[in-house]
Amino acid sequence: AQSVTQLGSHVSVSEGALVLLRCNYSSSVPPYLFWYVQYPNQGLQLLLKYTSAATLVKGINGFEAEFKKSETSFHLTKPSAHMSDAAEYFCAVSGAGTASKLTFGTGTRLQVTL
Amino acid sequence: DAGVIQSPRHEVTEMGQEVTLRCKPISGHNSLFWYRQTMMRGLELLIYFNNNVPIDDSGMPEDRFSAKMPNASFSTLKIQPSEPRDSAVYFCASSFRRGTYEQYFGPGTRLTVT
Repeated sequence: AQSVTQLGSHVSVSEGALVLLRCNYSSSVPPYLFWYVQYPNQGLQLLLKYTSAATLVKGINGFEAEFKKSETSFHLTKPSAHMSDAAEYFCAVSGAGTASKLTFGTGTRLQVTL
Repeated sequence: DAGVIQSPRHEVTEMGQEVTLRCKPISGHNSLFWYRQTMMRGLELLIYFNNNVPIDDSGMPEDRFSAKMPNASFSTLKIQPSEPRDSAVYFCASSFRRGTYEQYFGPGTRLTVT
């Protein structure tokens, strides 16, 4: 069985500040981990993925995430927030034997203020 | 690639009417997923197919909902009869069943049942 917990349904940061969105996972098999971003009135867009290669994964728009097995975490970060980063972010987990199904977290809405 | 295509993008209908949502997955993908997103319940997986075969429909809320995938390039989600509580954004996503399972989402269909 797999699950994802996203801590904080809403996060607010100032423009230029560090963005940190938290994701913890549970998986009975080696996980594949994903971050998706959803802008208003749009579908989910893949931001980055971890697939058991490098533990630090770089994605689009300056985001990156680090896989930490000991902490069962896959937190998303960006050094400097931009107004255009305001969106909802979803963490998801999959793995071999899960028949291609992703288990999504409940999402974190990121607000960026001036 | 055109990405996942959904139609219609918006649908407004009256309670009791039949609604059919359509999805064309990315060419070469062999898994297809239907999701529903609402403010109250977040993102819910309704049903998914592997190689055109329904694998798990446990998320389908009621018998009023049905989904088909007659071939690798087309799927429908039907609601009959529709009710106001079915109002939501419905997303279709597709993935390649081998590899790391990342899903690619369509733009969604916003359904309003009055």
